[in-house]
Amino acid sequence: ETGVTQSPTHLIKTRGQQVTLRCSSQSGHNTVSWYQQALGQGPQFIFQYYREEENGRGNFPPRFSGLQFPNYSSELNVNALELDDSALYLCASSLMVAGGLTDTQYFGPGTRLTVL
Amino acid sequence: RKEVEQDPGPFNVPEGATVAFNCTYSNSASQSFFWYRQDCRKEPKLLMSVYSSGNEDGRFTAQLNRASQYISLLIRDSKLSDSATYLCVVNADSGGGADGLTFGKGTHLIIQP
Repeated sequence: ETGVTQSPTHLIKTRGQQVTLRCSSQSGHNTVSWYQQALGQGPQFIFQYYREEENGRGNFPPRFSGLQFPNYSSELNVNALELDDSALYLCASSLMVAGGLTDTQYFGPGTRLTVL
Repeated sequence: RKEVEQDPGPFNVPEGATVAFNCTYSNSASQSFFWYRQDCRKEPKLLMSVYSSGNEDGRFTAQLNRASQYISLLIRDSKLSDSATYLCVVNADSGGGADGLTFGKGTHLIIQP
């Protein structure tokens, strides 16, 4: 196992609600990336957190936001949920090395979000 | 043009056969390359990194052609347990801010007894 944990495992929300997903990174890793995987698609990069700041962002609207804590764990927050937000949300833990490059990313088991 | 393209399959292959997957990527600035394996309703797991010199791990061989922006994965003597979706992944991190991993949609492999 990777040592990356996520909670909750499953979640059901209704349109317009807000949700918070949590991720604990692997010991020794300092960077957390979040991905959204819709059914039948590959994961899509949402954003990455390093040193408690957003370090890069994919093509997702501002209602997707996040936090990283001093222990390197992270949260993903999604406001004003839409039906299309139904997906598997994956976090990936990695180590930021010199020059801003991240080493191999290891994924947690994911949170399956259903928006009704 | 999609950034990482893979044949979605499914590839139906008899046990013991050799199967090859291909993938192309569009971002010439891509720095590192991987194959991940994903089982149904599970998270992606790193199968192997891919290098220009080619690399082998047991029954699995991966190859990168930077000039053609092409990545391949070869599985020899396939096992029933190889049935999964194989994701081609590139990392275009340039040091100026994270771009994250870019995934293909995956190739679905079914090994038949």
